[in-house]
Amino acid sequence: EPEVTQTPSHQVTQMGQEVILRCVPISNHLYFYWYRQILGQKVEFLVSFYNNEISEKSEIFDDQFSVERPDGSNFTLKIRSTKLEDSAMYFCASISGQTSEAFFGQGTRLTVV
Amino acid sequence: AQSVTQLDSQVPVFEEAPVELRCNYSSSVSVYLFWYVQYPNQGLQLLLKYLSGSTLVKGINGFEAEFNKSQTSFHLRKPSVHISDTAEYFCAVSAEGNYQLIWGAGTKLIIKP
Repeated sequence: EPEVTQTPSHQVTQMGQEVILRCVPISNHLYFYWYRQILGQKVEFLVSFYNNEISEKSEIFDDQFSVERPDGSNFTLKIRSTKLEDSAMYFCASISGQTSEAFFGQGTRLTVV
Repeated sequence: AQSVTQLDSQVPVFEEAPVELRCNYSSSVSVYLFWYVQYPNQGLQLLLKYLSGSTLVKGINGFEAEFNKSQTSFHLRKPSVHISDTAEYFCAVSAEGNYQLIWGAGTKLIIKP
């Protein structure tokens, strides 16, 4: 069964450093999402991506964040200068567009120290 | 805009007993409704969804949910739980035509032997 793959599973980084979270969505899917879940809080929408551009983004997704799909397969989330409050579980999701089911990766747990 | 409320942060239940996890939503437009499950140290997996049609939907692992438009609810039920059902359960909604998910805070299902 096709699945969404996220790497790394865990990332510890120092405050101010750049991190890149990687996602390989399901190959024929068209819509891609990043969500995050701060420990003990709700899952929050960050950004959606369609047709090689951002289709929607939340207030959380400020200038420190960026997404790209450089090679048609990987879908990356970059945080330029991490802050302590960026510590969270980050989930990637892909949707075919033929159904509304979102398929999620296992998540990347980011810890900023 | 949509919002989702899961009033119970934890639900303890004895093994083989029935369980209901509550979810209420608010929206000014028609919505799709979802339940996702997150097993310990794993990603988010779709349990079931309501898009249209029959208000009683059946999902994986013996779970079912009923969409009640007048009460704006989508409660999740299982007639007999097993220790393997220990997980956190998330209710989510999306507006029709928009794949972005709005999440509830989650309910931890704790199975007592």
